[in-house]
Parts: sequence; structure tokens; C-alpha cells
Amino acid sequence: AQSVTQPDIHITVSEGASLELRCNYSYGATPYLFWYVQSPGQGLQLLLKYFSGDTLVQGIKGFEAEFKRSQSSFNLRKPSVHWSDAAEYFCAVGATGTASKLTFGTGTRLQVTL
Amino acid sequence: GAGVSQTPSNKVTEKGKYVELRCDPISGHTALYWYRQSLGQGPEFLIYFQGTGAADDSGLPNDRFFAVRPEGSVSTLKIQRTERGDSAVYLCASSLSPRDYGYTFGSGTRLTVV
Repeated sequence: AQSVTQPDIHITVSEGASLELRCNYSYGATPYLFWYVQSPGQGLQLLLKYFSGDTLVQGIKGFEAEFKRSQSSFNLRKPSVHWSDAAEYFCAVGATGTASKLTFGTGTRLQVTL
Repeated sequence: GAGVSQTPSNKVTEKGKYVELRCDPISGHTALYWYRQSLGQGPEFLIYFQGTGAADDSGLPNDRFFAVRPEGSVSTLKIQRTERGDSAVYLCASSLSPRDYGYTFGSGTRLTVV
């Protein structure tokens, strides 16, 4: 069964600073990988997804993520954080061939200081 | 509709009561998913519908939980004999097809069992 670990529960960065949120997954084959963002009182919004091909994936809102098979990681990055990026970020993994069941990590809460 | 609509947004019920949570997916989306998000956790898969049928209900925690989608559009999650441990945010998502990876989530229904 697949699993996801987000080792950082809470991260604080200054506005304008770079950001990296960690995600490690466990899955026997090449997984489908996702990053979602959840703002208070809002539903989950898809930031980006990886299925195959180029291991550097570009998403919305200036985010990108890199799939590293050797490290079983799919870290989310942004070169310059904006105050509006403060939210909860979830990494998720789906089984190859179907995304009917995603397994989510426990999330990383991002706080942005001005 | 423009997005996934979930009603009610909040529901408070007494222990032992029956509740129904409704999800109205994006028009034309054949795949519909229910997830449950407990406080401080990532969403956990409950059930997935393809059309009218439940293609995967392996995440339903016990037989008190049941979901239907009789006409392949609106879905209702039903919880019998509610328990305090059922308190969570119940999220619904839809996608154009099972292979349209990356769902659109609703804002969720916050269920509180007192």
C-alpha cells in the first residue's frame, strides 16, 4: 500500500524568501504524485501533478516540484513566497493507472511573516 | 455548476442520530469521491463512484457509513447511529473521468457529533 510522509508539521518563512516543503512517498512502482493547497474554510486546490516524463513539474501560483526516484521524494518549491501563500499544503500519492484513491500526507502548515 | 457544491457546510448532530451529507459535482463529471479529514490530518479516502456505481468503497470505516449516487450526479453520504469519533470534515471531489487525475474538491461539510 502506498503512503506519504510530510516531515514538517509547521514551517514559517519570511515574505520574499524561498520555500521548500518536503514529501516522501512509499510505493512499489512509479507513483502518481500531487500537491494540494488548502486555505482556511476552503476546499483543496490542486497545485501540480506528476505522472511521468520530465521530473520537474511546474504548477500554478509559481510553484514547482521535483520527482526524485532515488530519494522517493517529491518536494514542493517556490522561489519567492507571498503572504497569500500561507495555507496548509498536502502531498498525495495515487497508484499507477488510476487516481481513484489518493493517499494524503498529514500536511504542512505554512506561515508567512511580513 | 461551476464547482463542487456540498451541503450543509456545517452540521451538528447528537450522538446516535442519522445524518445525510450531500455533494453536487461539476456537471458532466462522471467520477465522484468522498474523503474524510479529521483535525490535524490529511484527507482519508472513503468511497469512489464511477457513474452510478460504487467502484471502490474500501475506505468506508464500517457499516454505519453508506453512500449513493442514484442518477450518476448528486451523491449522498449517509451515516447511521453517529458517534463522536465521526466528527470531521467530509470532503467531496469530482473529476471528468477516473483518468482525469487531479480532482476538484468541494469546501466540505463539517460534521460535529455532540
